[in-house]
Amino acid sequence: EVQVVESGGGLIQPGGSLRLSCVASGFTFSSHWMHWVRQAPGEGLVWVSRINSDGNYRTYADFVKGRFTISRDNAKNTLYLQLNSLSADDTAVYYCSRDFDSSNACWGQGTQVTVSS
Amino acid sequence: QSALTQPASVSGSPGQSITISCTGTSSDVGGCKFVSWYQQLPGKAPKVMIYEVSIRPSGISNRFSGSKSDNTASLTISGLQTEDEADYYCSSCTTTGTYVFGTGTKVIVL
Repeated sequence: EVQVVESGGGLIQPGGSLRLSCVASGFTFSSHWMHWVRQAPGEGLVWVSRINSDGNYRTYADFVKGRFTISRDNAKNTLYLQLNSLSADDTAVYYCSRDFDSSNACWGQGTQVTVSS
Repeated sequence: QSALTQPASVSGSPGQSITISCTGTSSDVGGCKFVSWYQQLPGKAPKVMIYEVSIRPSGISNRFSGSKSDNTASLTISGLQTEDEADYYCSSCTTTGTYVFGTGTKVIVL
């Protein structure tokens, strides 16, 4: 079964850091672009970042402003998102997705990040 | 990177057709072929309903159709059913290599 499973979310204080992970299975992870998308409580979907199949090309949404870093380890079938300098505005469910806008899309169930003192 | 503009809600009676608009700019919707539509049920991950403007993934009802004109994309749901009640989002790639989602539309079946 094709699936991606996120983990690493939790409660973090403002200014803190967190690393999210997304483990892929059921497909050739190293052949696919991967994305992170987030959704704040009661709000809409927001695209965060994407990385190409070998990890050499990455793009970010403007609001990231150098605070987040996307990376991947193809040997471990794992995608990462390093979150730094977190604020309350970063509170959201973070989704990992393979080819999120295609017929081959696969989304995880998300991991909750809550930034609060 | 402003969010694409969608109406907050669209409603219709069972059997009717409704259309959801998604307005961007020449830097996203107008300049990119990768425009997609998603259905999201409460507490669930989004599901692709349309990709590359007008293509339906396997298993998606032909009641769903997509189109684009200039900087505006549209999703039409024909023969509206109660199970179609959900939040719908559009997305588009941009000319700078990023992506942007729409503001989201709640579809209400009367």
